[in-house]
Amino acid sequence: EVQLVESGGGLVKPGSSLKLSCVASGFTFSSYGMHWIRQAPKKGLEWIALIYYDSSNKYYADSVKGRFTISRDNSKNTLYLEMNSLRSEDTAMYYCAKVTDYWGQGVMVTVSS
Amino acid sequence: DIVLTQAPLSVSVTPGESASISCRSSKSLLSSKGITSLYWYLQKPGKSPQLLIYRMSNLASGVPDRFSGSGSETDFTLKISKVETEDVGVYYCAQFLEYPYTFGAGTKLELK
Repeated sequence: EVQLVESGGGLVKPGSSLKLSCVASGFTFSSYGMHWIRQAPKKGLEWIALIYYDSSNKYYADSVKGRFTISRDNSKNTLYLEMNSLRSEDTAMYYCAKVTDYWGQGVMVTVSS
Repeated sequence: DIVLTQAPLSVSVTPGESASISCRSSKSLLSSKGITSLYWYLQKPGKSPQLLIYRMSNLASGVPDRFSGSGSETDFTLKISKVETEDVGVYYCAQFLEYPYTFGAGTKLELK
């Protein structure tokens, strides 16, 4: 069974940093691209980043480019999202997703003073 | 960016009846490999999205065959025949053809 478990969220002040993790199991993690997708409270879905299976390519939404960094450690079956210079508009539930098919349960990030 | 426009934004359906949701793309989603990169997801209340349809018309694993997807290069439809109580939630279309990947605004399905 595919499982994706996010962690690392919380309440932080504007301008702060935070690093999210997503531990994968139930599939060969090192063979698949992975995404981060977020959902602001009561809002729709926003794709924010993709990393290829071998980390050879990374893509970002303009809203996070230069502030967020996606990475992975295939030896630990773990996906990361390092978030810097956080803004109030980054407040959202953050989901990791395996390619297009499986999503984690999400982790909440709240940016507020 | 590719814009996906969903309609309607909400729909109320009597259990046992059918429902259709439209998703229109601002650009063709047909890739050079002949794949139409349009996906449908359902987000049930309090849950993360789950894949229903991939590549426009393919039913995801474990999804009831009451769900079906169809369309052209820019106009797509998700049809739910014989709606059940478990189908309540928000339906999103998504394109994974080009970056940035984008989602429709969502269609909320409620029961009458």
